[in-house]
Amino acid sequence: TQLLEQSPQFLSIQEGENLTVYCNSSSVFSSLQWYRQEPGEGPVLLVTVVTGGEVKKLKRLTFQFGDARKDSSLHITAAQPGDTGLYLCAGVAANSGYALNFGKGTSLLVTP
Amino acid sequence: EPEVTQTPSHQVTQMGQEVILRCVPISNHLYFYWYRQILGQKVEFLVSFYNNEISEKSEIFDDQFSVERPDGSNFTLKIRSTKLEDSAMYFCASSYGLAGSSYEQYFGPGTRLTVT
Repeated sequence: TQLLEQSPQFLSIQEGENLTVYCNSSSVFSSLQWYRQEPGEGPVLLVTVVTGGEVKKLKRLTFQFGDARKDSSLHITAAQPGDTGLYLCAGVAANSGYALNFGKGTSLLVTP
Repeated sequence: EPEVTQTPSHQVTQMGQEVILRCVPISNHLYFYWYRQILGQKVEFLVSFYNNEISEKSEIFDDQFSVERPDGSNFTLKIRSTKLEDSAMYFCASSYGLAGSSYEQYFGPGTRLTVT
């Protein structure tokens, strides 16, 4: 069962464009985290969202947690080649222990 | 900045052999985790560990696997009698707490296990 669905799976854009990637589920999450992973390396934590409706900003990245805590989005403004990578969402399902459930990720390529 | 470290970075072993993967979690963290990622697939939870005992494990974590905190700094994953399908990246993670932002899990760089 795929608890967290991420879309799109692949995204190729040019430098300077804006983009949004999505993380959706039918389950409620206690918290949701966004990671970035480079090939052959471990996931690097970008942000944690806990409260429904919460919005967090990290420079050009804006993260939003849905009001019902079932979905999240990551918006990147004026993408740069350094943003290239695999973006993973991971969440702790409410009333279901503390294991992180990962999505399959969105692979982003930003070309100059 | 504190970080999770893992050794070795790459381990090659023959089918049927035992391997021990090592991790040093962030020093003030209390909760420790192992995950694995088979090539091309998503990251999967294996086990969590707190206060010297397993607090949660997935169906992947069968009798072939065990975890231990042998001293105040190391956290190990032992795989007995490895199988070809155990080939994967194994990630260690740690968190300070379990609620809100204290629950943030920080991952190590991983150990690539290749079973031949």
